[in-house]
Amino acid sequence: NAGVTQTPKFRVLKTGQSMTLLCAQDMNHEYMYWYRQDPGMGLRLIHYSVGEGTTAKGEVPDGYNVSRLKKQNFLLGLESAAPSQTSVYFCASSYSSLAGINEQFFGPGTRLTVL
Amino acid sequence: GENVEQHPSTLSVQEGDSAVIKCTYSDSASNYFPWYKQELGKRPQLIIDIRSNVGEKKDQRIAVTLNKTAKHFSLHITETQPEDSAVYFCAASGSTDSWGKLQFGAGTQVVVTP
Repeated sequence: NAGVTQTPKFRVLKTGQSMTLLCAQDMNHEYMYWYRQDPGMGLRLIHYSVGEGTTAKGEVPDGYNVSRLKKQNFLLGLESAAPSQTSVYFCASSYSSLAGINEQFFGPGTRLTVL
Repeated sequence: GENVEQHPSTLSVQEGDSAVIKCTYSDSASNYFPWYKQELGKRPQLIIDIRSNVGEKKDQRIAVTLNKTAKHFSLHITETQPEDSAVYFCAASGSTDSWGKLQFGAGTQVVVTP
């Protein structure tokens, strides 16, 4: 099992450019999440998905869009990148069980710089 | 929504000493409290978690305690080693309809000096 994978690992964009970050998981998890991590601010939720074809806004959704056309993939898009979106982006997945909420498994991260 | 505060933001300990990190949460319906360790340049990884029906959980040198009345939980690391140096994040689940979402604390940078 590869777990949660992310592509690309690094990217440099110019202001106004667009890009898509890809997250894939092979654990058959229902839930998937996109976070951004900035120094001193922990992990902040951008968007999340509770199943194929469904998405919802998290804590900091502005400037981002997402899609989940397949259960195993969750895409994060930046339509017009801004320097404030310079960050490390993590994808995570999780599942439900009788016990309730469970561990989130994280991908390796994407370091994005917007000039 | 859920709000999680974590203290301290940085913690320096001598090798062999204990380290304690404390978190408070706001939503009394939260029922799942994981702790993640993130080494420099790596992904966060779960080190221990606790559910609201348990007051304490141990796994070798690490332990977590939960006080539901006071709405706080703590991570205890005993006999610290240099490889314990990392950023530690606490999290809380929020209400039961949160779709697995977690609210993370801001993190604690732990430095273990030999």
